[in-house]
Amino acid sequence: DTEVTQTPKHLVMGMTNKKSLKCEQHMGHRAMYWYKQKAKKPPELMFVYSYEKLSINESVPSRFSPECPNSSLLNLHLHALQPEDSALYLCASSQAGQGNSPLHFGNGTRLTVT
Amino acid sequence: GDSVTQMEGPVTLSEEAFLTINCTYTATGYPSLFWYVQYPGEGLQLLLKATKADDKGSNKGFEATYRKETTSFHLEKGSVQVSDSAVYFCALTRNTGGFKTIFGAGTRLFVKA
Repeated sequence: DTEVTQTPKHLVMGMTNKKSLKCEQHMGHRAMYWYKQKAKKPPELMFVYSYEKLSINESVPSRFSPECPNSSLLNLHLHALQPEDSALYLCASSQAGQGNSPLHFGNGTRLTVT
Repeated sequence: GDSVTQMEGPVTLSEEAFLTINCTYTATGYPSLFWYVQYPGEGLQLLLKATKADDKGSNKGFEATYRKETTSFHLEKGSVQVSDSAVYFCALTRNTGGFKTIFGAGTRLFVKA
């Protein structure tokens, strides 16, 4: 069982909808990440939170809005998405400020934008 | 900038064959190196890691050695099983300045019974 839990597992939304992806971890990690993964590609970093503060935004369009309410939770709010945003969205966590700390991934949310 | 290069796949092997997946990297300083595995329908899982030169990471029969002189971290397994069929990602994380993880393109492995 993965120690990073993501909900929902699957999401279908129209281009005018607003939805949120949720991620939770209880490993005491203080760095949390959102990645986007297209088929047959590696994960692409979107956002990094360190100690509940946004530390990296990889020039992600504003239709994606991250939120870190506390050290265990990470949300990704979605609004006015495009069909090309359809992908697997992965949440990950790690110890903060340590390059030798591996990423712990959830199983992702498979998003389809219609 | 930093980068990771993996051998192109897919790689198809028969059960009990020897596996090598090549990985080379470009980075300043002394990054930590990782192999992650992704099974169908799942997220990535850490397979093994090495944090300094000449370290050997190992797990579930897989091994990789951090070779600074050749900037390589090749993944090996002596006898693959059907259950090893997955996508394998080589990755590095710098130990300073943002700690971003750079992934290779991934190598898909198919193991036939």
